[in-house]
Amino acid sequence: DTGVSQNPRHKITKRGQNVTFRCDPISEHNRLYWYRQTLGQGPEFLTYFQNEAQLEKSRLLSDRFSAERPKGSFSTLEIQRTEQGDSAMYLCASSLGRVTGELFFGEGSRLTVL
Amino acid sequence: QKEVEQDPGPLSVPEGAIVSLNCTYSNSAFQYFMWYRQYSRKGPELLMYTYSSGNKEDGRFTAQVDKSSKYISLFIRDSQPSDSATYLCAMIASGTYKYIFGTGTRLKVLA
Repeated sequence: DTGVSQNPRHKITKRGQNVTFRCDPISEHNRLYWYRQTLGQGPEFLTYFQNEAQLEKSRLLSDRFSAERPKGSFSTLEIQRTEQGDSAMYLCASSLGRVTGELFFGEGSRLTVL
Repeated sequence: QKEVEQDPGPLSVPEGAIVSLNCTYSNSAFQYFMWYRQYSRKGPELLMYTYSSGNKEDGRFTAQVDKSSKYISLFIRDSQPSDSATYLCAMIASGTYKYIFGTGTRLKVLA
């Protein structure tokens, strides 16, 4: 078990471009989360999957953001037509989900929009 | 008012000091409480996980939960320069799925 894995670790893009981040959760963890963190702030909830079902999407997420978790394994977070305000650390986390359990994070994907 | 409040610091202490980090919260439904350590440009690392009120100890770290006061604490004994990081509290209500985080407290342990 290698923990939660995120790729790429850092992405620099120009305003208006699309970016995609990938998350591989801890195996057998059926809950997967995406959070966003900006400098000096705690992680803010973006969206949550139970297996392959996306059960909640924060109102922080505009229509430019979409997340998927096909087959209930890895997940992708896509941001279309990036804006400078999208610059942040995007954190993926997973938990076992049978009971309210520990939440384990990946190292994050840092997005810089120029 | 935020659901979880945490003093952002920074908090500077000399090596070997006992550090006390705290969070307050407003939602009485929270029952599971976590502390994370986050180094600069890294993901949060889970340090302590506790359920309901009481104390839990793990090495130099002790987590305390006082549900009656809606107050949680993390104590670090014999603090080391390697403890310098941001410490995040997080909590969640039983049977729910949304973990709520504090803003984090930046700690500097001076050698």
